[in-house]
Amino acid sequence: KQEVTQIPAALSVPEGENLVLNCSFTDSAIYNLQWFRQDPGKGLTSLLLIQSSQREQTSGRLNASLDKSSGRSTLYIAASQPGDSATYLCAPNAGNMLTFGGGTRLMVKP
Amino acid sequence: EADIYQTPRYLVIGTGKKITLECSQTMGHDKMYWYQQDPGMELHLIHYSYGVNSTEKGDLSSESTVSRIRTEHFPLTLESARPSHTSQYLCASSRGLSYEQYFGPGTRLTVT
Repeated sequence: KQEVTQIPAALSVPEGENLVLNCSFTDSAIYNLQWFRQDPGKGLTSLLLIQSSQREQTSGRLNASLDKSSGRSTLYIAASQPGDSATYLCAPNAGNMLTFGGGTRLMVKP
Repeated sequence: EADIYQTPRYLVIGTGKKITLECSQTMGHDKMYWYQQDPGMELHLIHYSYGVNSTEKGDLSSESTVSRIRTEHFPLTLESARPSHTSQYLCASSRGLSYEQYFGPGTRLTVT
């Protein structure tokens, strides 16, 4: 059974810092991995999808990397802004379902 | 942009009532999913469907049931709501197994 761990669980930084959020998963037999953002009480917004054959995927200030063999993914956020404050979730996709980690709760202070 | 809708967004209901949470998508996606998220906890898959007349249970046991009569519609039903059903229910869809999943805004259910 897939297990997903996200570190750190919470992070508070001043505006402008570059951040790295970590995700590890136990079963490397995945199709892809998605990173999501969740604002309090809201649904999930997909940030990046990285296929199992890819090493990196970029969208604006976000960059996700995937090392499938070691079961790790990182989300890099450049020049953080207060609007980036949210919970970030990673979810490897084994085909019939996404498995979610507990998330990293990010607070970016002005 | 993802076009996936859930109604109602918020529901407060008494114990024993039957409820149906609606989910619809206009993207023509074959795959649809229901996830449950208790406050402050992880999301877990409770149901999924690969197409019309196809439904399967997810990794988290749930007393809810689902149906898939039309491609765009994937409602979730609780025959008799209990306080333990209080949670957020999130619907998602995707074009295929290796494609991106898009999520709806969620339904926050409170059973009193």
